[in-house]
Amino acid sequence: DTAVSQTPKYLVTQMGNDKSIKCEQNLGHDTMYWYKQDSKKFLKIMFSYNNKELIINETVPNRFSPKSPDKAHLNLHINSLELGDSAVYFCASSQVRYNSPLHFGNGTRLTVT
Amino acid sequence: AQKVTQAQTEISVVEKEDVTLDCVYETRDTTYYLFWYKQPPSGELVFLIRRNSFDEQNEISGRYSWNFQKSTSSFNFTITASQVVDSAVYFCALSDTQGGSEKLVFGKGTKLTVNP
Repeated sequence: DTAVSQTPKYLVTQMGNDKSIKCEQNLGHDTMYWYKQDSKKFLKIMFSYNNKELIINETVPNRFSPKSPDKAHLNLHINSLELGDSAVYFCASSQVRYNSPLHFGNGTRLTVT
Repeated sequence: AQKVTQAQTEISVVEKEDVTLDCVYETRDTTYYLFWYKQPPSGELVFLIRRNSFDEQNEISGRYSWNFQKSTSSFNFTITASQVVDSAVYFCALSDTQGGSEKLVFGKGTKLTVNP
């Protein structure tokens, strides 16, 4: 009965590869997000989707492409991975019109070697 | 631009001490929300509280309490009688609602270590 689940939990890959992180929420929320937490623990928004529509895109390299097949899913695909992409990526969801707080997934630790 | 400052990078206390984590924010919005999240060593982000900018009442939940002062743009968090399990990184955040989506601007976090 996990509210926001993301897979995989750990992802180790080499530079230049393409990888995806999947996220699903079963809270019935209409908005989903990707946040990035760097090695200094700083959290910053990357994208948000509301009912499958891209709302926020925070100056993220176009190697990062979010995809929302429906409002319960928001996947993150990363092309041509670079060392600097190593971070923890958090998926989150909320129901903005009801002012619900963001519920975060447990994070995916991406290590690029 | 919105900004959240958590001036305390790390705090270390002994169990049963009270500890206050400071949070100062900047925004031009008249309506906004403030949040605290906890990130224990296991890494997940746990929601603790959300406060509406129109509600300046302090809130208490068990050993946790929050002091919101609009006049000083602060939203401080106090843990009373701290316990080892309170050891975590605590983040203060400010909301910015854009077009049906809510963006959180986070502070850099305060790492709290509670020693036995």
